[in-house]
Amino acid sequence: QQQVKQSPQSLIVQKGGISIINCAYENTAFDYFPWYQQFPGKGPALLIAIRPDVSEKKEGRFTISFNKSAKQFSLHIMDSQPGDSATYFCAASIMDSSYKLIFGSGTRLLVRP
Amino acid sequence: ETGVTQTPRHLVMGMTNKKSLKCEQHLGHNAMYWYKQSAKKPLELMFVYSLEERVENNSVPSRFSPECPNSSHLFLHLHTLQPEDSALYLCASSQGPPYDEQYFGPGTRLTVT
Repeated sequence: QQQVKQSPQSLIVQKGGISIINCAYENTAFDYFPWYQQFPGKGPALLIAIRPDVSEKKEGRFTISFNKSAKQFSLHIMDSQPGDSATYFCAASIMDSSYKLIFGSGTRLLVRP
Repeated sequence: ETGVTQTPRHLVMGMTNKKSLKCEQHLGHNAMYWYKQSAKKPLELMFVYSLEERVENNSVPSRFSPECPNSSHLFLHLHTLQPEDSALYLCASSQGPPYDEQYFGPGTRLTVT
């Protein structure tokens, strides 16, 4: 119930293409869904986050799509660039009461020039 | 930089050694976290401190001992570790619920020989 399942494990995309990473959860009490980006030698950094009262959130080339009934959410990176090559983690938590972020297992994205 | 620093960045220790990892946050946050990051596994939350009080302890072996002397500093004391404890240890901080954005340090790469 506490797991967040993330796929794919790795992804290779050509420059300019769309990168799509998917996550699924079971606990319907989760109400905060962030995505973190991690470059080699660095800690994860918050990229974008969504709450379940909206179905989509866009920030620049990054979009989260959220499907509450399916208990799934995804990250879309439009016009992917080599500088986007990193590991991406989805996560979920119960925002108002919990310190605990439940992370997915990560997706290693490589954007080829 | 994220405002969270960790030292050392790399540590090699034998199974009988005692060492400590240090984390410092310069963000005025109330909560601090230790995570373990192993290859191809989700980030594992180890400990959470809020206002210097431990609020989460996720069934972590007693060979890991956290210490939070004040809201800006967090330590992880290590003793008689096992080779499977080799991993990247990440420190993070946040304002605490309901503000859930966690700011991560760069991590300490620990190798147990």
